[in-house]
Amino acid sequence: DQQVKQNSPSLSVQEGRISILNCDYTNSMFDYFLWYKKYPAEGPTFLISISSIKDKNEDGRFTVFLNKSAKHLSLHIVPSQPGDSAVYFCAALPEAGKLIFGQGTTLQVKP
Amino acid sequence: EPEVTQTPSHQVTQMGQEVILRCVPISNHLYFYWYRQILGQKVEFLVSFYNNEISEKSEIFDDQFSVERPDGSNFTLKIRSTKLEDSAMYFCASRNPGQYNQPQHFGDGTRLSIL
Repeated sequence: DQQVKQNSPSLSVQEGRISILNCDYTNSMFDYFLWYKKYPAEGPTFLISISSIKDKNEDGRFTVFLNKSAKHLSLHIVPSQPGDSAVYFCAALPEAGKLIFGQGTTLQVKP
Repeated sequence: EPEVTQTPSHQVTQMGQEVILRCVPISNHLYFYWYRQILGQKVEFLVSFYNNEISEKSEIFDDQFSVERPDGSNFTLKIRSTKLEDSAMYFCASRNPGQYNQPQHFGDGTRLSIL
């Protein structure tokens, strides 16, 4: 099942710079997308979401961009902080209500 | 901030034994979910539960699995006869009533190890 794909397993960024995490999906019927962050030994924590009728949603240092024609979304973190180091999951939410997750990208922010 | 709690944090069980994983969802939430993550793989949906019945279940959720809300606060996942391949992290989640796109809030998971 490859409906949601995060092709970069890991990303390393310097503190203060921008982190860009990418996600691709295959089903054009998905109408809501979410990003979750996960620290070791904890469950996923909701970060930010976007409806398919929008192309951008911003919350503080976090911005999610959606390109429907390319079936692509990205999460921007500016500025990146060491505490942002975690696994980031992209998830699609069909109207049925179950989350369909990508494989996750491990972000390391170096001081 | 209210949170979803799961117990135990780690469960070790012999193959073929029954196991019950417990979850206390956020108190005003009405939709409940179980997901699992096998080591090195994606987080996968197992089942959703609303109004005391299953709303949707995945292919993984076969007759060996069941869910229950035995009282007003607990939500349990039972695996009747565990197999080696059931070893995984199991996450419980809940969400507010209302729009389906309300974010699901996850517990910290139960690590299930089948020997």
